[in-house]
Amino acid sequence: DQQVKQNSPSLSVQEGRISILNCDYTNSMFDYFLWYKKYPAEGPTFLISISSIKDKNEDGRFTVFLNKSAKHLSLHIVPSQPGDSAVYFCAARIDGKIIFGKGTRLHILP
Amino acid sequence: DTGVSQNPRHKITKRGQNVTFRCDPISEHNRLYWYRQTLGQGPEFLTYFQNEAQLEKSRLLSDRFSAERPKGSFSTLEIQRTEQGDSAMYLCATTGGLEKLFFGSGTQLSVL
Repeated sequence: DQQVKQNSPSLSVQEGRISILNCDYTNSMFDYFLWYKKYPAEGPTFLISISSIKDKNEDGRFTVFLNKSAKHLSLHIVPSQPGDSAVYFCAARIDGKIIFGKGTRLHILP
Repeated sequence: DTGVSQNPRHKITKRGQNVTFRCDPISEHNRLYWYRQTLGQGPEFLTYFQNEAQLEKSRLLSDRFSAERPKGSFSTLEIQRTEQGDSAMYLCATTGGLEKLFFGSGTQLSVL
């Protein structure tokens, strides 16, 4: 039972444009949502999070939007840079446990 | 470097052997998590500790897996009688109580 779903395995975006990564979830009891970035041979690195009581959180080039009625969140990266090429994981917290989606591989094209 | 250290980085073993991995967390972090990740998948929750107490263990986790965190410091994850399906990256992550997890670089296990 995949409670956190990332339906796009990969995404290619031109450098300088906006990257939008999407995530859907099924459990309305999640209280925090997080985005992680992962390079090969490294552990995931925290990017940005949002509480379930908010609908937007911004940190530099990264903005996360939460739509609770649709059980959907998205990560916007603008402008996209070559170093943003990585796998991005959406995650959600419930009862102290953090559950991850399968990830979306983002390719930033020159 | 997140401050979470995992050893070894790589482990190759034969089917049926036992293996043990170690995680040294950020010193002030009281929660410690173990995850497993296979190719094309996200990190899969295995278990987590609050100090030395193991609070939850995934129901998908076989009895061959056991984890400890003596004195609430470092943690070990042991897999007994390894199977080829155990081949994966084993990730440790810690937190000081906030939602943000700090991950180690992982231990890549290959079972031949």
